Amino acid sequence: EAGVAQSPRYKIIEKRQSVAFWCNPISGHATLYWYQQILGQGPKLLIQFQNNGVVDDSQLPKDRFSAERLKGVDSTLKIQPAKLEDSAVYLCASTLTGQGEKLFFGSGTQLSVL
Amino acid sequence: GQQVMQIPQYQHVQEGEDFTTYCNSSTTLSNIQWYKQRPGGHPVFLIQLVKSGEVKKQKRLTFQFGEAKKNSSLHITATQTTDVGTYFCAGRESGGGADGLTFGKGTHLIIQP
Repeated sequence: EAGVAQSPRYKIIEKRQSVAFWCNPISGHATLYWYQQILGQGPKLLIQFQNNGVVDDSQLPKDRFSAERLKGVDSTLKIQPAKLEDSAVYLCASTLTGQGEKLFFGSGTQLSVL
Repeated sequence: GQQVMQIPQYQHVQEGEDFTTYCNSSTTLSNIQWYKQRPGGHPVFLIQLVKSGEVKKQKRLTFQFGEAKKNSSLHITATQTTDVGTYFCAGRESGGGADGLTFGKGTHLIIQP
């Protein structure tokens, strides 16, 4: 069974530039999450999708971050414009139904903002 | 909002010694999950606890969920070098509408051979 796919693996940008991350969840998984993990800390939920609808985006900095999952399969997370404090690993995770199961994480995208 | 705290932040042990990490939530949890993240890797699910007072074992790992469903612990017996990594607890708030987990900051386990 293929896992959660993320790209790119690494990204280096300058502050005020924009960047986008892509995630393809495990086939058939209805729920998709984007987490931000700052070095030395635990993952922080940014947004949760159920199919193509947003369930929770309460911690998403909406002035600069956006995410979509238009067809209910793969998803894109965008930051525009990036700030230094956005340097982190962006993890995508998925679950089958979003009803309390375990999360399957992708390998993440490590973002460095200079 | 919900907060999940873990202690200690770092733990150095000699190989063969035991290790314990503790997790406390500011709110009652419907369930708690534990994940392990190896250096440079991504979190990998270990176990989920649902019932008050539940205890589960996986070989040398013992997981407990508190009676009040606000705290949990992970105990590793006789650590091995393969146990190196960061252990996170993650909780779902009881009665919460969304499904997203709140993670603690993790306990970094460092093992000296």
